[in-house]
Amino acid sequence: GENVEQHPSTLSVQEGDSAVIKCTYSDSASNYFPWYKQELGKGPQLIIDIRSNVGEKKDQRIAVTLNKTAKHFSLHITETQPEDSAVYFCAAAAGYSTLTFGKGTMLLVSP
Amino acid sequence: GAVVSQHPSWVICKSGTSVKIECRSLDFQATTMFWYRQFPKQSLMLMATSNEGSKATYEQGVEKDKFLINHASLTLSTLTVTSAHPEDSSFYICSARDPRPRAYGEQFFGPGTRLTVL
Repeated sequence: GENVEQHPSTLSVQEGDSAVIKCTYSDSASNYFPWYKQELGKGPQLIIDIRSNVGEKKDQRIAVTLNKTAKHFSLHITETQPEDSAVYFCAAAAGYSTLTFGKGTMLLVSP
Repeated sequence: GAVVSQHPSWVICKSGTSVKIECRSLDFQATTMFWYRQFPKQSLMLMATSNEGSKATYEQGVEKDKFLINHASLTLSTLTVTSAHPEDSSFYICSARDPRPRAYGEQFFGPGTRLTVL
């Protein structure tokens, strides 16, 4: 089955800096890669996703890049703000199969 | 994004009782819903996939007689924890897959239910 590795487990940045979270996957059939943000005590919120037919996708301060050859994808957050502090999960799936999640990254943005 | 609700948001029960958690997709019809369990500071663990009108598919190691799932309509799935014990205390989260063409099968999560079994 699919295996998703996520790094780092914890990331501390100063407000205004950029943050990058990286994930690798094992199943070459995976073609859907969402990112979720989870605040304490809440459910995960889909913030951006990418499919294997594109290499990059941006939405304001958030971007995701995908390297199918290397089987890795990354989340980039620019101009970080304290409200970006949360746990971020990457996931991968092949078509409409179930999502396989990474272990999560706790992002701490200090004012 | 689409809206998925869960009820209740938290519940405290005595050992041996059963607890029902509801998951609703509010602005789309979800033929497929998922139930996850999450322990503190850990990732989401898929418990089962719920398909409207058919039996749920449980992940390996999940007791189907303990965690009863019913997906009776296109907007509602329920998880019943039967004869709950303290080790069942956890954060339970549902998600629904949006089948509409523009959504391309995106999954949206509910806010979660915190279960505490005394």
